[in-house]
Amino acid sequence: EIVLTQSPGTLSLSPGDRATLSCRASQGISGNHLAWYQQKPGQAPRLLIYDAFSRATGIPGRFGGSKSGTEFTLTISRLEPDDFAVYYCQQYGSSLITFGQGTRLEIK
Amino acid sequence: QEQLKQWGAGLLKPSETLSLTCGLFGGSISNYFWSWIRQPPGKGLEWIGDINEGGTTNYNPSLQSRVTITMDASKKQFFLNLRSVTAADAGVFYCARGSYCSNGVCYKGFGRNVWGNGTTVTVSS
Repeated sequence: EIVLTQSPGTLSLSPGDRATLSCRASQGISGNHLAWYQQKPGQAPRLLIYDAFSRATGIPGRFGGSKSGTEFTLTISRLEPDDFAVYYCQQYGSSLITFGQGTRLEIK
Repeated sequence: QEQLKQWGAGLLKPSETLSLTCGLFGGSISNYFWSWIRQPPGKGLEWIGDINEGGTTNYNPSLQSRVTITMDASKKQFFLNLRSVTAADAGVFYCARGSYCSNGVCYKGFGRNVWGNGTTVTVSS
């Protein structure tokens, strides 16, 4: 099983700030098959990034994905009020799909 | 535009079987895997398993002994059965689209943007 560890658990920032969220995998992920989701209370997750780097349809350019080794990063370049939510990473490179535990992005 | 709508009984007693249905509207069920994912109250997401039109299934080993996922492709519906539920199975259950596979090639990422709106399941005696 590939374990995904997200950090920090909570990130407190202000609108206009840059957010950097980390997702570290316990082993390499085949094909860079890692996604990032945004979830707001009472809503289903929303796909932001797939295959580590590709923005999903309709996702603004301020959301970006990157990778270094087994660490994947979601960067939100300039936070807008609507961006404050919980973010999850998911790997789908192995037969057992797993999620990270989430990072809560809150308004400072 | 594709939409997933889900329904099923949301209140169960311990030891009963959870049965949920997810219907696809506005798209094709072919060539994709279709998933079930759950989220305990206040916690993170857990993948339960998935199925494709050919009936190929994949399950999370932690739930495999209690889970069956099936599909009626003619109705564009797929189903989740979770047997012998306990309070630990309570939460929100989502259906979602997964990998796209055609002619032996799979594109695993881009299709994951379609989710149902979730069904809240309570387990109480």
